[in-house]
Amino acid sequence: ETGVTQSPTHLIKTRGQQVTLRCSSQSGHNTVSWYQQALGQGPQFIFQYYREEENGRGNFPPRFSGLQFPNYSSELNVNALELDDSALYLCASSKGATASYEQYFGPGTRLTVT
Amino acid sequence: AQRVTQPEKLLSVFKGAPVELKCNYSYSGSPELFWYVQYSRQRLQLLLRHISRESIKGFTADLNKGETSFHLKKPFAQEEDSAMYYCALSGRANSGYSTLTFGKGTMLLVSP
Repeated sequence: ETGVTQSPTHLIKTRGQQVTLRCSSQSGHNTVSWYQQALGQGPQFIFQYYREEENGRGNFPPRFSGLQFPNYSSELNVNALELDDSALYLCASSKGATASYEQYFGPGTRLTVT
Repeated sequence: AQRVTQPEKLLSVFKGAPVELKCNYSYSGSPELFWYVQYSRQRLQLLLRHISRESIKGFTADLNKGETSFHLKKPFAQEEDSAMYYCALSGRANSGYSTLTFGKGTMLLVSP
């Protein structure tokens, strides 16, 4: 069984640019959640996708958007990057959207905005 | 609003000593509580959840609704327990689906 994978591992962007992060969910999982983890903080929920629909969103501005594809992989897009967007971005997949389903995390993408 | 507080950034103990990682939460409904662990150079993974009431790797956690706490305990720490531990709460979002709210984490260092 292949685990959750994320790409790229690291990337560096300039303020004002746009970035796309990718996540492949674990086999058999239909839900992907995205988290932002700033240095010294716990993961903070950005949004969740269930069967290609966004069904939950945290306190993040609209310039954070996402997609989920028919194979349940997902993208996180961030427009107009700001310095404070520098963080580790985690995705987690699960068999369903409720808390009864364990979330399996990927290794993360480290984004640096200069 | 839901909130998770882990008051200790770092907890350092000797091998064989008891361990208690503190977690307090704030949530108006009936929460589901979890402990996640991240070992060095590994990804974040679920350690245990209050609903299952099981012991994993010798760790237990009891949900105390009166004190709104979910402290993680182990009677005898091992060096391999050294890791970052996050307490997390799942509450029902407006959409009807659950989201995870994490604390800031506690680094546990077990010395020989």
